[in-house]
Amino acid sequence: QGQLVESGADVKKPGASVKISCKVTGYTFTGFSIHWVRQAPGLGLEWMGRINPKSGATNYAEKFQGRVTMTRDTSISTAYMALSGLTSDDTAVYYCSRGRDYGPNYWGQGLLVTVSS
Amino acid sequence: DIQMTQSPSSLSASVGDRVTITCRASQGIRNDVGWYQQKSGKAPQRLIYGASTLEDGVPSRFSGSGSGTEFILTITSLQPEDFAAYYCLQYNSYPHTFGQGTKLEIK
Repeated sequence: QGQLVESGADVKKPGASVKISCKVTGYTFTGFSIHWVRQAPGLGLEWMGRINPKSGATNYAEKFQGRVTMTRDTSISTAYMALSGLTSDDTAVYYCSRGRDYGPNYWGQGLLVTVSS
Repeated sequence: DIQMTQSPSSLSASVGDRVTITCRASQGIRNDVGWYQQKSGKAPQRLIYGASTLEDGVPSRFSGSGSGTEFILTITSLQPEDFAAYYCLQYNSYPHTFGQGTKLEIK
């Protein structure tokens, strides 16, 4: 099944950008898409987008188009999610999750990003 | 984008009860639906994919049904560990979309 571990800055100021890493171990990184899902405090799950680590192809939710960029570095089995123009509404736990034909399945532990002045 | 309308948003039930949660898709999505359970402070865990296929290790009291636009998660004989939040997800097309979630609480 492998393991996914998110890391990155946990507090950001409004207007700033954040870049979260998702380090993968225990399986072939290029064999599964990496999905990014977030959850604001007390609210539901929100699918942000995904990247195919083999090709680099991405799909984003329309809500984040123009503000989100998903990339990967296959040499270190790591996916990245960058989000710009942060507001307090972006305060959330951000998860990376691997998946293939049936959507996201195995998840990281999540990373809380707080946007506050 | 495909919208997933999940109901109810909250549900109170007792240990031993049978409960159902419904997701309706805004257009036909074959059986491309997963159901997730999320306990407080934890990452979601997928229970079901393909609308009705249980993940390995998921108790048989969980079942899923449906195709097209209506999908149902059924939990028979609720156990204390089942009180959590549940979400459906459509993966028929991008962007994938979650239902709004159902919080299952102890009565």
